[in-house]
Amino acid sequence: QSALTQPRSVSGSPGQSVTISCTGTSNDVGGYDYVSWYQQHPGKAPKLMIYDVSERPSGVSSRFSGSKSGNTASLTISGLHIEDEADYHCSSYRSGSIWVFGGGTKLTVL
Amino acid sequence: QVQLQQWGAGLLKPSQTLSLTCAVYGGSFTGYFWTWIRQPPGKGLEWIGEITHAGRTSYNPSLKSRVTMSVDASKNQFSLNLNSVTAADTAIYYCARGQYKREYWGQGTLVTVSS
Repeated sequence: QSALTQPRSVSGSPGQSVTISCTGTSNDVGGYDYVSWYQQHPGKAPKLMIYDVSERPSGVSSRFSGSKSGNTASLTISGLHIEDEADYHCSSYRSGSIWVFGGGTKLTVL
Repeated sequence: QVQLQQWGAGLLKPSQTLSLTCAVYGGSFTGYFWTWIRQPPGKGLEWIGEITHAGRTSYNPSLKSRVTMSVDASKNQFSLNLNSVTAADTAIYYCARGQYKREYWGQGTLVTVSS
């Protein structure tokens, strides 16, 4: 059982938008602006897509955006591309100097 | 261009010690947290712990009793030891740079624990 709760799977068609949620507690997601999101293709290492809730690293498409409300963070992917099909993992700082992850969400682009 | 290259034994027997090392090429070694993360087959990511260039550590409470991390700043390397492994420790182990902004990752090492 992962520390943060993500839906097991989501899907969308090319061009559509999808949102992936990541629910924690006031001790992690709700209490700190240190939520990050990672994209992982099969057999590959995770790739950072969003950090500090809504910041995009250099080189990441503006189609990826992050937000947070209360204890739930969200990753929104707009204008879905086929290559966006991957697993997405959220991560957050938790009080006590530790870091936690969600269980991962499989995005299928139909 | 920052690159992380990791290595270590890929097959262990129960009760043995897992040992992995990650070398950092390019960029600064100081001023960052260096992290170990693992992923059991078909499952999500799990934070194992982190270490600074000065050797300050923080570990996942669920693994703390079995984990030791160390750093060799002269070689820009950091290491993970996990003792008394069981089948539940079978996973791909990754090293990465940073805490809230983990932009650079190693290639991953599959560690299988089997008798």
